[in-house]
Amino acid sequence: DAGVTQSPTHLIKTRGQQVTLRCSPKSGHDTVSWYQQALGQGPQFIFQYYEEEERQRGNFPDRFSGHQFPNYSSELNVNALLLGDSALYLCASSVGGRGYTFGSGTRLTVV
Amino acid sequence: QKEVEQDPGPLSVPEGAIVSLNCTYSNSAFQYFMWYRQYSRKGPELLMYTYSSGNKEDGRFTAQVDKSSKYISLFIRDSQPSDSATYLCAPEAAGNKLTFGGGTRVLVKP
Repeated sequence: DAGVTQSPTHLIKTRGQQVTLRCSPKSGHDTVSWYQQALGQGPQFIFQYYEEEERQRGNFPDRFSGHQFPNYSSELNVNALLLGDSALYLCASSVGGRGYTFGSGTRLTVV
Repeated sequence: QKEVEQDPGPLSVPEGAIVSLNCTYSNSAFQYFMWYRQYSRKGPELLMYTYSSGNKEDGRFTAQVDKSSKYISLFIRDSQPSDSATYLCAPEAAGNKLTFGGGTRVLVKP
């Protein structure tokens, strides 16, 4: 049984560009949450999707947006990239928001 | 002040020793308390999950929660080099997001 799958694993973008990260949840999971983890810090909650709607949002600007598809997979979009957006982006899936399983993340570097 | 605080470490112990990890929090709404282990270049992996105050044991791992003092602990007995990782505490309010501490890096030396 595949766990949470994230793509790509690494990418490098230039300041001002836009990026899309993708997440396929664990089989049977219907809720997807996104976290940002800066180097040496704990993950910070970005937002959570359930039934294709954003259910909760952390303290992140509107440049961060997302989407959940009918098959429960999800995308995280970041516009107008800043150097400070460089981080590991983690996707976590769960059933009804409990028992989170994390993917290995996407390492984003903004230059 | 951060909602969840952890000593960043590193905490270095010899193989076979007991590893003691602590976490404090400020939000009284937290009801569920998780400990995650994160290896380098990997996502966090759930180790222990405790509801409200009390102790929970699972193999070599024991989690303790004291809601009156807003203090969370994780103990690892008979530590192994494979336990070398970053340990993250993550309390959660009911139906809400995980709030992670900064993590404690643990090194178990053979």
